[in-house]
Amino acid sequence: GAVVSQHPSWVICKSGTSVKIECRSLDFQATTMFWYRQFPKQSLMLMATSNEGSKATYEQGVEKDKFLINHASLTLSTLTVTSAHPEDSSFYICSARTAWAGETQYFGPGTRLLVL
Amino acid sequence: DQQVKQNSPSLSVQEGRISILNCDYTNSMFDYFLWYKKYPAEGPTFLISISSIKDKNEDGRFTVFLNKSAKHLSLHIVPSQPGDSAVYFCAASLNSGGSNYKLTFGKGTLLTVNP
Repeated sequence: GAVVSQHPSWVICKSGTSVKIECRSLDFQATTMFWYRQFPKQSLMLMATSNEGSKATYEQGVEKDKFLINHASLTLSTLTVTSAHPEDSSFYICSARTAWAGETQYFGPGTRLLVL
Repeated sequence: DQQVKQNSPSLSVQEGRISILNCDYTNSMFDYFLWYKKYPAEGPTFLISISSIKDKNEDGRFTVFLNKSAKHLSLHIVPSQPGDSAVYFCAASLNSGGSNYKLTFGKGTLLTVNP
């Protein structure tokens, strides 16, 4: 149980294009979903927190117009990197939390984004 | 300001021996702590957690100890196996309001278990 998937697993795009990453909780309904970013040899940095049907809460320094988050249902959240630039290249990971798991978050496999 | 610190970037242990991974935190408001295991280019996998009201939690080969007065927790793996080789992240949880529990991660410790 508590499986989270992400799609795509990797993506290469040209600078200026937008990229959408999907995060799904496969066998549970996610109370909250989170989006993280990880640079090489760095820790996971929380970008935003989203609850189904409401606006995402962004961490300080994260541009909400740059990283659009939509939490359409209790099992799906999407992150859209708008007008991507090479500095947006990173490893993006989502996680989901459900009421029965308390404060534990379950992570997806991550999406590697490379912007040329 | 790093609120969760893993001061050892790497640890090497012989198979069958004990692995001890350490984590320190500065925010006394953290009320839940977790350990995750991560392979390159994969998402973290949840291992074990502990509430701030406890000082020990055990699950098979994994035991987490919490010392609140020292703001320190550790993960013990006994016996260590080569398959345990991965990066281990310590994370601390804080209720940010409205049931949104944010995790703050340490930088990770690369554990290598040698056969």
